[in-house]
Formats: sequence, structure tokens, C-alpha cells
Amino acid sequence: DVKVTQSSRYLVKRTGEKVFLECVQDMDHENMFWYRQDPGLGLRLIYFSYDVKMKEKGDIPEGYSVSREKKERFSLILESASTNQTSMYLCASSLPQNGKSGNEQFFGPGTRLTVL
Amino acid sequence: GEDVEQSLFLSVREGDSSVINCTYTDSSSTYLYWYKQEPGAGLQLLTYIFSNMDMKQDQRLTVLLNKKDKHLSLRIADTQTGDSAIYFCAESITGGGNKLTFGTGTQLKVEL
Repeated sequence: DVKVTQSSRYLVKRTGEKVFLECVQDMDHENMFWYRQDPGLGLRLIYFSYDVKMKEKGDIPEGYSVSREKKERFSLILESASTNQTSMYLCASSLPQNGKSGNEQFFGPGTRLTVL
Repeated sequence: GEDVEQSLFLSVREGDSSVINCTYTDSSSTYLYWYKQEPGAGLQLLTYIFSNMDMKQDQRLTVLLNKKDKHLSLRIADTQTGDSAIYFCAESITGGGNKLTFGTGTQLKVEL
């Protein structure tokens, strides 16, 4: 089974702190994604990566950066956390799109971040 | 642009059928997905349908796709309390790389 793990389930940080959210997948997937989930807004894509050292902006990249130094690990960084970044953060991974099953994404359990 | 919409809440009685609806705007969708999110957990894929299909059935789940109206639905037969969760539809599109666009999610509540 594909396993996607996230470093913390719950995190509380103060405004202005630098925050690292880590995600690791064990299925050698090329693609990795970071989303945030807010009530009534669904999942919004922050950043994604197709390969090591590659990154692409999603729909809401402002205030975030990412790092992918190894294939299995994708980190989300909040350079200076703000209260409006309080949210549930979900990491996902997938194989490249193929004709058999499209590009199913496998999700981690999520990190609930609270910024005070 | 891509936009995927769902109603926010649905309440059904145990044993009844649930129908969760989704509309999308991009006509170049290739695959459409239904994900389930239980409380405190990440999303799990329930089922998916290729855009050239009208229907897919998998045990208690039936997916219907009306490509002309850009409408997708998920029917859960004999709904159980364990089906209480948030259900997300998502689409992937031709030329969209490996991204999925998710709907807002529908909170399904199953009452006894």
C-alpha cells in the first residue's frame, strides 16, 4: 500500500515564526503536492513538484515556499507564519498521468496548523 | 478555467440512498474522481470514471457522468453510519499535467 506520512498531526506556532511541514512517501512517486483545506473552500493547491528539485506554483502560493531535495520528501515552508495561514495542510503524491488510471493522488493524514 | 462545485451538506437516514452531486466547467476533463475524507483523516480514493463512460458501478457505489451537462454524481446505496464523511469530486484535464481540481466537498451526515 502507498503510504504518505506527514511530520505532525497538530502544530501550534506564533505569528512571524518560520514553519516547516514535512511529507514523505514510500512508493517512489514522481509527483508531490501540498494543499490547504478550509471549510467551504475545499482543497486549494499551494505548490507541486514533478521531480527532485523541481517545483511549480499552484493556485495560492503566496506566503509559502517548498523544497524537494529527495524524491520521497516534499517540504512546505511558511517563511513568516500569519494567522490567516491557520488551516489543515494535506500532502499528496502520484505517479505521472497514464491511460489506465489517470493520476490518482494518495494523501497523507494532514497537519492541522494553528497560528496564534 | 477550472471550477468544480458541490453542495456543502447532505443529510440522509440510515438505509436510504445518498446522491452527491458535482458540476464542473472544463470540457476537457479526462478523469473524474470521488474521494472520501473521514474525520481527522486525509482523503481516500473511492472510485473514478473515465470521461468517455456514462456510468460505473462498484458494490454500493454508482457513478453517473453526464458530459453534456458537465454533471457528475455519486450514489451510495443502503447508506450506513460509517458513510458519514466529506466527499470530494475532482477532475483532471487534458494538458493539465498531473494536477487535480477539487470541489468544495459535501458533508454527508447519516442519521439513525
